[in-house]
Amino acid sequence: DTGVSQDPRHKITKRGQNVTFRCDPISEHNRLYWYRQTLGQGPEFLTYFQNEAQLEKSRLLSDRFSAERPKGSFSTLEIQRTEQGDSAMYLCASPPGLPNHGELFFGEGSRLTVL
Amino acid sequence: SQELEQSPQSLIVQEGKNLTINCTSSKTLYGLYWYKQKYGEGLIFLMMLQKGGEEKSHEKITAKLDEKKQQSSLHITASQPSHAGIYLCGALTHGSSNTGKLIFGQGTTLQVKP
Repeated sequence: DTGVSQDPRHKITKRGQNVTFRCDPISEHNRLYWYRQTLGQGPEFLTYFQNEAQLEKSRLLSDRFSAERPKGSFSTLEIQRTEQGDSAMYLCASPPGLPNHGELFFGEGSRLTVL
Repeated sequence: SQELEQSPQSLIVQEGKNLTINCTSSKTLYGLYWYKQKYGEGLIFLMMLQKGGEEKSHEKITAKLDEKKQQSSLHITASQPSHAGIYLCGALTHGSSNTGKLIFGQGTTLQVKP
């Protein structure tokens, strides 16, 4: 258990529906990352928060995707009008300190299946 | 082409055998991380390497960083079925070292036959 919690672990939805994933990082970690991983590939960076500020967004994050971290604690990732291509594992991670120092703790992930 | 290439993509070894997984970056490395992942689960941190020539070990797993070649290798000695899984390397490169954003390789799937 890395201390990073993600919910739900699995989500099956129909194309066109909206879904929201939640990440609860280790409480004192001020940086938070979202990644997406498709079958047979490594995780791909989606977005990064420093406290409540979203500092970087990947081009992978289309207009249908929105991420928030309202109080600098938990974060949500919402996908609107889901498409089959959105089917993937969505991973949240938080590190303990400065960039390039120490581990990056990952949650267990939220697996999305879009039918 | 991939910014971070892992080889081989998959590996099947007999229990007790040694094996090596390689990770090569097309950009200057500022930090190299190794993770293990079981299918459908999150990533478990194994080791982080920062300095050229650095070598770290954890139980029967050893990782080395060759900064000049922009390469890292992960070596498992006397493999066991518990070593089976997907091994991923992640790198901090120029432009990401300030944010801590990791770029990942595509992963190496390891099967260990009892």
